[in-house]
Amino acid sequence: GAVVSQHPSRVICKSGTSVKIECRSLDFQATTMFWYRQFPKKSLMLMATSNEGSKATYEQGVEKDKFLINHASLTLSTLTVTSAHPEDSSFYICSASGGGETQYFGPGTRLLVL
Amino acid sequence: DQQVKQNSPSLSVQEGRISILNCDYTNSMFDYFLWYKKYPAEGPTFLISISSIKDKNEDGRFTVFLNKSAKHLSLHIVPSQPGDSAVYFCAASAIQGGSEKLVFGKGTKLTVNP
Repeated sequence: GAVVSQHPSRVICKSGTSVKIECRSLDFQATTMFWYRQFPKKSLMLMATSNEGSKATYEQGVEKDKFLINHASLTLSTLTVTSAHPEDSSFYICSASGGGETQYFGPGTRLLVL
Repeated sequence: DQQVKQNSPSLSVQEGRISILNCDYTNSMFDYFLWYKKYPAEGPTFLISISSIKDKNEDGRFTVFLNKSAKHLSLHIVPSQPGDSAVYFCAASAIQGGSEKLVFGKGTKLTVNP
């Protein structure tokens, strides 16, 4: 079955630094990738949708200059949290779609900003 | 190796009847289970969850049952309504090796016919 990986699985960083999270589709071409943020035991909040080769579409309330998304190839999308602050600490999840309705989710990345 | 399986890609029921969506898991370390509902072009929204210490959780028309010995959970929707038509994702979470894991199934597309 389709596999999506995320790297790193967890990261601890100092306030003010930038953190990059990678999302890769391992065995299929992902025309669309989605980035979510989850708070403990709560809903997945869609942050942005990215299509390969074009700019990401951000959801209302998500700062595009703070959460930089790049979808440079059909198998890789990156989310960079710039100048991270403790309130950015969360669980970030990506999912990938090959064009149909099915989404394949990555295992998530736990970010802790000190 | 799929740790969370939704073996039925689709399900069709009549309005007013019960919808039963099934989910199986293989990892006994999972201690929390969630169901998400997803409409086309939207991100998944949290529906209902259950802790591994319980066997049932009810919220209005939605009830989730957990059978730990069988590593099986199900979502019951009764009565089903046309607005329930969506893709439903089962997810399971665990802390493993110090890292948090959230594993999703592939989803089941529910169609409720008027």
